[in-house]
Amino acid sequence: DIVMTQSPAVLSVSLGARATINCKSSQSLLQSANNQNYLAWYQRKPGQPPRLLIYLASTRDSGVPDRFSGSGSGTDFTLTISSLQAEDVALYYCQQYYNSPPTFGQGTKLEI
Amino acid sequence: EVHLVESGGTLVQPGGSLTLSCVASDFSVSSDYMTWVRQVPGQGLEWVSVIYPGGSTYYADSVKGRFTISRHNSKNTLYLQMGSLRTEDTAIYSCARGRRSGYYGVEYFDSWGQGTLVSVS
Repeated sequence: DIVMTQSPAVLSVSLGARATINCKSSQSLLQSANNQNYLAWYQRKPGQPPRLLIYLASTRDSGVPDRFSGSGSGTDFTLTISSLQAEDVALYYCQQYYNSPPTFGQGTKLEI
Repeated sequence: EVHLVESGGTLVQPGGSLTLSCVASDFSVSSDYMTWVRQVPGQGLEWVSVIYPGGSTYYADSVKGRFTISRHNSKNTLYLQMGSLRTEDTAIYSCARGRRSGYYGVEYFDSWGQGTLVSVS
């Protein structure tokens, strides 16, 4: 199975500042046939189900604010929140869907 | 709006059986890659099983031979039959709608339910 490792485990950021969460995979998620990276990012707030933020490493899902962006390729990926809002406090997970089984990072807790 | 609601979680003894349900709204469970994912409270997410639109099913090694995923199209409901339950199966079980990015890869998940707690003790 592909192992996903997120860092940091806990991230404290001031309101309005930039937040950066890292995700590293144990093998490349880049599909050479189409040059796409099979990585997704989710946000989970207390008492709510996970919300899809990003897929294909950098494509925002419908309705996701543009302060959220994804980048990276191969084995190293980043989720960036350009200007942290109070409602962004949550757990964030990365997930690879390059091959089966789909696997998740252990999560990053984002706090203010 | 897509909506998924799980039910059926409870306390069960080791070796016991349980069936979870997931009722879907505003889309058809037969048209998507319907998936069960579990999370031990305070720990990470673990993919459990998927049923493809064509009916093929796949399982995590940890549950293979003990769990069975199925769906009832007219009830628009996804199921997870769980048998030979172990203490390590204790988790919150969530259903999710899987999507694919073209021909390659497996699924990411664009809609999730709140989950239902299964305790094996």
